[in-house]
Amino acid sequence: AQSVTQLDSQVPVFEEAPVELRCNYSSSVSVYLFWYVQYPNQGLQLLLKYLSGSTLVESINGFEAEFNKSQTSFHLRKPSVHISDTAEYFCAVSSGSAGGYNKLIFGAGTRLAVHP
Amino acid sequence: DGGITQSPKYLFRKEGQNVTLSCEQNLNHDAMYWYRQDPGQGLRLIYYSQIVNDFQKGDIAEGYSVSREKKESFPLTVTSAQKNPTAFYLCASRRGQGTHQPQHFGDGTRLSIL
Repeated sequence: AQSVTQLDSQVPVFEEAPVELRCNYSSSVSVYLFWYVQYPNQGLQLLLKYLSGSTLVESINGFEAEFNKSQTSFHLRKPSVHISDTAEYFCAVSSGSAGGYNKLIFGAGTRLAVHP
Repeated sequence: DGGITQSPKYLFRKEGQNVTLSCEQNLNHDAMYWYRQDPGQGLRLIYYSQIVNDFQKGDIAEGYSVSREKKESFPLTVTSAQKNPTAFYLCASRRGQGTHQPQHFGDGTRLSIL
């Protein structure tokens, strides 16, 4: 069965510092990987996705993630964070399954707290 | 603008009462999903539907029921059989049945017990 492990439940960081949120997955088949962001009392917003091709994917607000198949990881990074990046971040994985249904498996989330 | 609308934003349930959470989408998406979110546990799948008049149980379906009579609508009923219903409920939708399509989420309904 697929699973997703987010290695840190909370990550405190100062503004303008770099940050890495770690995500590992387990799957024996090809996977599609996603990072979502959730602000307080809101739904999840897609941050970026890896479907195929280049292993480094970027979002429009400066985040990037690198798919590493040998280490089964999809860590999220940003070179310089802002106060507005304070949120909860979820890593998710999906793969094909019998019947063609698409199901997302989520990690437990990492709460990023950016301090001034 | 297209999107997913969940209502109400806050909902209170009395003991022994059934309550229904609304989810409507105007994205023309085929698939719809209901998740439950508890602190520190991420999202867990309750039910999903790939097409009108068809739905499947997710990982934690006990105490919940759904219907999919229209493509745009996927209401979730939290029944009295669900003994621990306090949580944040999220509805999502996805275009097509390809595994590469991301899910889009509504803003959630927070359910509490009176």
